[in-house]
Amino acid sequence: AQSVTQLGSHVSVSEGALVLLRCNYSSSVPPYLFWYVQYPNQGLQLLLKYTSAATLVKGINGFEAEFKKSETSFHLTKPSAHMSDAAEYFCAVRGVFGNEKLTFGTGTRLTIIP
Amino acid sequence: DSGVTQTPKHLITATGQRVTLRCSPRSGDLSVYWYQQSLDQGLQFLIQYYNGEERAKGNILERFSAQQFPDLHSELNLSSLELGDSALYFCASSATSRQETQYFGPGTRLLVL
Repeated sequence: AQSVTQLGSHVSVSEGALVLLRCNYSSSVPPYLFWYVQYPNQGLQLLLKYTSAATLVKGINGFEAEFKKSETSFHLTKPSAHMSDAAEYFCAVRGVFGNEKLTFGTGTRLTIIP
Repeated sequence: DSGVTQTPKHLITATGQRVTLRCSPRSGDLSVYWYQQSLDQGLQFLIQYYNGEERAKGNILERFSAQQFPDLHSELNLSSLELGDSALYFCASSATSRQETQYFGPGTRLLVL
């Protein structure tokens, strides 16, 4: 079964600093991978997704993620953090053949320090 | 605004009671998904309906049931409620059955006292 592991339940960065949120997946074949963001008291919003096209995926709000098969990773980055980026971020995985269930990681809460 | 609507926004009830949560998917989307988000269990997939039929089942308790109606809105029924059922319940929708891009509603916060 597919799964994702998000390293670090809480990450704090200074405003203007690099944001790096880590996600590693477990799958026998390269899966589809997603990053979602949840702002306080809101539902989840899709940031970006990898579906076996380009390995570097650009999303909304300046975020991007790189699929690295050799490292089974799909880390989320943003060059310069903004106060409005404070939220919870979820990595999710979906299988490609026959197992299309979407499974979420445990989430990483991002705090931006002024 | 994702286009997915959920009612009610908040629900407070007592143990042993039954509640119904409602979800309207984005216009044109045929799949509806239900998730439970709690502090101890995180975001858990409950069930998926596609065009009125159950498509996939996750960690849904037997006390919970769902259905999708001909107009594609969905209801999640929670019965014999326990304190541990207190959580945020999200509905999401997607165009197809293949769980690709899902659009989430704002959620229903359930508090069982």
